Amino acid sequence: AQSVTQLDSQVPVFEEAPVELRCNYSSSVSVYLFWYVQYPNQGLQLLLKYLSGSTLVKGINGFEAEFNKSQTSFHLRKPSVHISDTAEYFCAVTKDTGRRALTFGSGTRLQVQP
Amino acid sequence: DAGITQSPRHKVTETGTPVTLRCHQTENHRYMYWYRQDPGHGLRLIHYSYGVKDTDKGEVSDGYSVSRSKTEDFLLTLESATSSQTSVYFCAISPAVATDTQYFGPGTRLTVL
Repeated sequence: AQSVTQLDSQVPVFEEAPVELRCNYSSSVSVYLFWYVQYPNQGLQLLLKYLSGSTLVKGINGFEAEFNKSQTSFHLRKPSVHISDTAEYFCAVTKDTGRRALTFGSGTRLQVQP
Repeated sequence: DAGITQSPRHKVTETGTPVTLRCHQTENHRYMYWYRQDPGHGLRLIHYSYGVKDTDKGEVSDGYSVSRSKTEDFLLTLESATSSQTSVYFCAISPAVATDTQYFGPGTRLTVL
């Protein structure tokens, strides 16, 4: 079975500062990796995903993530955050075979302050 | 936005009563999922469906059942609601394979008193 650890439950940051949200995973097989964002009182929407190929993945709203197989990490970054980035961010993994549901981390709440 | 609706959006019920939540999609996607979201746990899979009448359990399936008689509808039933089932429930859909994005509905907030 796979698992996902998001190391920070909350990350406060000032507007226009860079941010990194950390995600580590464990799995005995190859996985696909995702970052989802949840704005207040809404469902989740996809930010980006890593399937194969280049380890640097670019997503929507200026976010990017880097897959590091040796460290089993998939950290999310943004060089300059906006107030509108305030939300909860979830890292998730899935396998290619069998059940195709996502296994989620516990989430990181990004609070952007003016 | 993917065409996913959930009903009801909010529900308050009492312990011991049955509750059914509905997920409806207009995308004709094969896979449908029910997750619950609780603070500190992220989202956890309850049940999923890989086709009409084909369903399977997730990691937190105890106390829940599902049915899918049509491609577009996936029902989640709490046979006898308990306070531990107070949560926000999300439905998700995806076309077919693991690399596909899952699209999430707006959620149903359920409170069991």
